[in-house]
Amino acid sequence: GDSVTQMEGPVTLSEEAFLTINCTYTATGYPSLFWYVQYPGEGLQLLLKATKADDKGSNKGFEATYRKETTSFHLEKGSVQVSDSAVYFCALSGQNTGNQFYFGTGTSLTVIP
Amino acid sequence: GAVVSQHPSWVICKSGTSVKIECRSLDFQATTMFWYRQFPKQSLMLMATSNEGSKATYEQGVEKDKFLINHASLTLSTLTVTSAHPEDSSFYICSARELLGGGGANVLTFGAGSRLTVL
Repeated sequence: GDSVTQMEGPVTLSEEAFLTINCTYTATGYPSLFWYVQYPGEGLQLLLKATKADDKGSNKGFEATYRKETTSFHLEKGSVQVSDSAVYFCALSGQNTGNQFYFGTGTSLTVIP
Repeated sequence: GAVVSQHPSWVICKSGTSVKIECRSLDFQATTMFWYRQFPKQSLMLMATSNEGSKATYEQGVEKDKFLINHASLTLSTLTVTSAHPEDSSFYICSARELLGGGGANVLTFGAGSRLTVL
């Protein structure tokens, strides 16, 4: 079945470091891909999305490109800030999943000053 | 943008009592809402899919009689934890699906979550 595999954490970076969180997926058809962020004690917020191959989602300095050839949707940011400390979830959804969302296990990021 | 309001954000109750959590879509209609449970430092576990005007669809292993879901209107779904026990203590999160126009992807909008502590 459809699934998402996400890089395990926790990840600890110094401020202004480069961030990559890997995400690969398995799906039939062409799902939409998402990154959600969860700040401590809060629900999830949509960070960015991409609906088709080669699409690049971006928001708040974060980017992810839908790579069909490698079935990946890695999250990147060039210079992280302390305020980026959160848990990041990769997810997919599509017609073949009955529009259900499948989430990765989440990657905890801590950015230290 | 779409907003989902979840209430209460934190509730503490005695063992054996029932607790109701509300999930409202504030500026859009949601025919489908989802309820998740999240244990500390873990991912989301889908509990059930709530469909307006019909019975909820529960995931395998989730007790229907323990976690009652009602989706009486297009903007409100409720989760009632009946006869709560300490092992039911968790973070419960609801989400609603908003269909974006122009063939865009469905997007899940999440509530802020409700932390349940059962003493």
